[in-house]
Amino acid sequence: RKEVEQDPGPFNVPEGATVAFNCTYSNSASQSFFWYRQDCRKEPKLLMSVYSSGNEDGRFTAQLNRASQYISLLIRDSKLSDSATYLCVVHRSSGTYKYIFGTGTRLKVLA
Amino acid sequence: EPEVTQTPSHQVTQMGQEVILRCVPISNHLYFYWYRQILGQKVEFLVSFYNNEISEKSEIFDDQFSVERPDGSNFTLKIRSTKLEDSAMYFCASSDRENEQFFGPGTRLTVL
Repeated sequence: RKEVEQDPGPFNVPEGATVAFNCTYSNSASQSFFWYRQDCRKEPKLLMSVYSSGNEDGRFTAQLNRASQYISLLIRDSKLSDSATYLCVVHRSSGTYKYIFGTGTRLKVLA
Repeated sequence: EPEVTQTPSHQVTQMGQEVILRCVPISNHLYFYWYRQILGQKVEFLVSFYNNEISEKSEIFDDQFSVERPDGSNFTLKIRSTKLEDSAMYFCASSDRENEQFFGPGTRLTVL
């Protein structure tokens, strides 16, 4: 089983729609979680950290469910500019510094 | 806003040649990383660097790879004898603690 799993998509949604992505992780020692956004052939850009209590940043809401070992990202009122690949990233503390990336979920917002 | 920079943006080399990829991390950051992304695949960790030494490396980071912080600002990745399968985007990242890594724009390495 992969350490971080995402549905690769693509998710094709109309402008203004609400879309949600899930990501599951297998290592219960995972401590920190992030959503990054990656545009084609560009670097990953931090979208938001994911906190245990859930957090919201404008149209974006992230949730963490430790019991079921998944994180989610909800995008409300999708814009054309939201079209990108959304990367789920897991970081295990305790002596390791590396990020573990999911393969990403591709989102296309259609006019 | 401070950012990670990388040079060159694109490097073309012949198989067997040595390449050096350069990165300037964000100035007050202490942790530095290299990742690679083969076209169409996920981002993979190569190595992390802290306090002037490698803190962790992956199985990809074999003897042909090395990293260095030659001065107070640059962080380099050297590939000693490139192979075709080294063709990828190489991203440098930095962080001021173990969380929230910020990535540079990448160097696209093409090995012919």
